[in-house]
Amino acid sequence: GQNIDQPTEMTATEGAIVQINCTYQTSGFNGLFWYQQHAGEAPTFLSYNVLDGLEEKGRFSSFLSRSKGYSYLLLKELQMKDSASYLCAVRLPRVGANNLFFGTGTRLTVIP
Amino acid sequence: DTGVSQDPRHKITKRGQNVTFRCDPISEHNRLYWYRQTLGQGPEFLTYFQNEAQLEKSRLLSDRFSAERPKGSFSTLEIQRTEQGDSAMYLCASSPRRSMGQPGANVLTFGAGSRLTVL
Repeated sequence: GQNIDQPTEMTATEGAIVQINCTYQTSGFNGLFWYQQHAGEAPTFLSYNVLDGLEEKGRFSSFLSRSKGYSYLLLKELQMKDSASYLCAVRLPRVGANNLFFGTGTRLTVIP
Repeated sequence: DTGVSQDPRHKITKRGQNVTFRCDPISEHNRLYWYRQTLGQGPEFLTYFQNEAQLEKSRLLSDRFSAERPKGSFSTLEIQRTEQGDSAMYLCASSPRRSMGQPGANVLTFGAGSRLTVL
């Protein structure tokens, strides 16, 4: 079976830094994605890691350790608009397919 | 291109009725996916099309569910004899055949979803 663990909820202060962790146990691995989802809206792509290490994209960074089955999303200089759910997803190896296995998401609340 | 469009955005129906959702993917994307998302959960994969061919179906897709993509463009997801447990957000996503942007990423672009409430 497949399993992804993320904290259910987190709260952080505007301007601060927050790290959202994700651990996965899957039958195969072909990349890890982070998506942001505001309430009632579509998930939107944030980052992609397939090799170990840190990928930085503006205020957002994502880290992957394949040997540990572990990733984190780092959000810097938090803004109120960053209040959303953050979904960790693993792309499972499939011939010709690209379907993602998602975690339950971490709901982040940014407070003033 | 305005992204992935889904219609209707909201549907309330009585148990036992049939419902159909439509998805219009990004025009240059040949891959299309349906996911289901319930409150507080992440999206769950339902089915996948490459052009008009349905190549993969999840065990979640019972025989009451059918999806089509007749001309390899828009897709429909029909649920027959709806049950209260079918209440969820039905998300459509599309991706290009080849990677765009970051090599190997082959990012899925999601629509805003169709929310189904079965009374």
